[in-house]
Amino acid sequence: AQKVTQAQTEISVVEKEDVTLDCVYETRDTTYYLFWYKQPPSGELVFLIRRNSFDEQNEISGRYSWNFQKSTSSFNFTITASQVVDSAVYFCALSETNAGGTSYGKLTFGQGTILTVHP
Amino acid sequence: DTGVSQDPRHKITKRGQNVTFRCDPISEHNRLYWYRQTLGQGPEFLTYFQNEAQLEKSRLLSDRFSAERPKGSFSTLEIQRTEQGDSAMYLCASSSLTGPDFNYEQYFGPGTRLTVT
Repeated sequence: AQKVTQAQTEISVVEKEDVTLDCVYETRDTTYYLFWYKQPPSGELVFLIRRNSFDEQNEISGRYSWNFQKSTSSFNFTITASQVVDSAVYFCALSETNAGGTSYGKLTFGQGTILTVHP
Repeated sequence: DTGVSQDPRHKITKRGQNVTFRCDPISEHNRLYWYRQTLGQGPEFLTYFQNEAQLEKSRLLSDRFSAERPKGSFSTLEIQRTEQGDSAMYLCASSSLTGPDFNYEQYFGPGTRLTVT
């Protein structure tokens, strides 16, 4: 069965520091999708990124970047020059697919990392 | 385009009572999911629908739980004979596998927080 592990329970940084959130996953599938979601204090999960298992290119979006390494089953998330508004719980999630490559839909989430950015 | 909405946002009930939650997905999203999130944990999958069909149910979904999506639009999640262990945030999400919005991202609603006393 699939599993997602976010070993860092809580991280605390000072504004403008860079911070990396770790995610390690387990799956028997060769085709799968990985996701990062943000859950601010308001509670609503906000989608950040989706990555297909065949696409190992790293991605950068503004201050956010993602490093996908299939060899180590990791999909880490880095926030550069953190800001107070980045304070939230961040979840990594995995979705397996059927033979046709269509997502089963079910997301398996990690336990989340609480990020606190101090001014 | 409005996002996923859930009603009610909060529900307090006494043990043994039945409760029903509603989820309205993003318009024309054909997949709808229910998750449960307890304090300090990630969301756990409960069940999902593709149009009207319920395609998968988690082992977490005991016989006291039932979900429906009768017309392929909104969905309801009912919990019968609630127990204190049912206290959690119930999250609904939707996604599209067809059309111009084709993607696998699930968009979440604000959740319904259930407290069983």
